[in-house]
Amino acid sequence: AQSVTQPDIHITVSEGASLELRCNYSYGATPYLFWYVQSPGQGLQLLLKYFSGDTLVQGIKGFEAEFKRSQSSFNLRKPSVHWSDAAEYFCAHAVDDYKLSFGAGTTVTVRA
Amino acid sequence: DAGVTQSPTHLIKTRGQHVTLRCSPISGHKSVSWYQQVLGQGPQFIFQYYEKEERGRGNFPDRFSARQFPNYSSELNVNALLLGDSALYLCASTFTGTGYTFGSGTRLTVV
Repeated sequence: AQSVTQPDIHITVSEGASLELRCNYSYGATPYLFWYVQSPGQGLQLLLKYFSGDTLVQGIKGFEAEFKRSQSSFNLRKPSVHWSDAAEYFCAHAVDDYKLSFGAGTTVTVRA
Repeated sequence: DAGVTQSPTHLIKTRGQHVTLRCSPISGHKSVSWYQQVLGQGPQFIFQYYEKEERGRGNFPDRFSARQFPNYSSELNVNALLLGDSALYLCASTFTGTGYTFGSGTRLTVV
């Protein structure tokens, strides 16, 4: 069963505007959650991770994510988007202590 | 420090052939995982190896196999290739508490 859901397949945002990507998980009492970014034809780059502790997590490239247990969510945000942020974004959840379950991804397009 | 390295970066194979993909983890990382990413989808877990032992296997046929060597590098082997095996194959290494670091992948095209 799908353990990670990314409801938005594609988001278009203007450069300089804020961005929020949604992620919901459905497995595990203590979720280990990740956000990755993938440029076309490239591998996955880790933006940030949540294991425990502070529910607001800071990552690279100005991204942050907030873990909300009550909503089973781990949404990714960026206050001001740059053209270089155009990419595919994947939310992932560590399952069974040894594998990542990925969402289907959200494609972000940045318009000038 | 070098990141996760994968080879080759691209290859083209014919249906029915066999392929071997290689991965070298980050120095000090003892765990290697393999993922398949079909175009337009999220990566799907294939295998994880830790200290040369298989820790987990995803929902893939027996045509897929892997192993890990004493230096923690790993090989993914796929026999009797099908058109549907065309994908980006990603390797990730991990160390407890650090998350998973991915390589740039091997793009396999089966014709």
